[in-house]
Amino acid sequence: DTGVSQDPRHKITKRGQNVTFRCDPISEHNRLYWYRQTLGQGPEFLTYFQNEAQLEKSRLLSDRFSAERPKGSFSTLEIQRTEQGDSAMYLCASSSVAEGLREQFFGPGTRLTVL
Amino acid sequence: AQTVTQSQPEMSVQEAETVTLSCTYDTSESDYYLFWYKQPPSRQMILVIRQEAYKQQNATENRFSVNFQKAAKSFSLKISDSQLGDAAMYFCAYRTQNSGNTPLVFGKGTRLSVIA
Repeated sequence: DTGVSQDPRHKITKRGQNVTFRCDPISEHNRLYWYRQTLGQGPEFLTYFQNEAQLEKSRLLSDRFSAERPKGSFSTLEIQRTEQGDSAMYLCASSSVAEGLREQFFGPGTRLTVL
Repeated sequence: AQTVTQSQPEMSVQEAETVTLSCTYDTSESDYYLFWYKQPPSRQMILVIRQEAYKQQNATENRFSVNFQKAAKSFSLKISDSQLGDAAMYFCAYRTQNSGNTPLVFGKGTRLSVIA
């Protein structure tokens, strides 16, 4: 499968714990995005990378959130001191600047439940 | 900031019939892209159709077509000959047309049910 993959698919944690999610984009896609989707809502942008550089962060990305893409390939999203309001689906998408309309391809998401 | 509004939280359609999902957006830009994404239950989001704002011709992909009204800032999706597999959440999304590939701005979605 050469699509965007995310790990884990589901994560249940207790409030106050740290969690880390991983996203593997489509090979050679240089843009990688993180979105958050809460129940009944559309995805909301969190942050994105071009290669290893983090180009933009949403105001939704509080200080407890950090994202990295150290080698310009996979990315990790860490949430420290989780809160119940962090419960959501975290979506990753990738795209290639070189491709036409530069469609964003989405992964299956990581569903986080904070108890 | 750009916003996308989908005013129909839920829609239903009989199998083989046609349904139209509505989307409006707000932007001060003249060049942008619009998209419809489909999110089936427990499955990942996939692109259904896309439209470049500079193109007057409405995009079509098999049973899916759009009605793009730039002046009215309206971008509706028409699904013809609806099939059971069309049941999903549908999201309208906007992206500015600047350098690179900027993040998408999504609406809240419309849940489409297809009745056999």
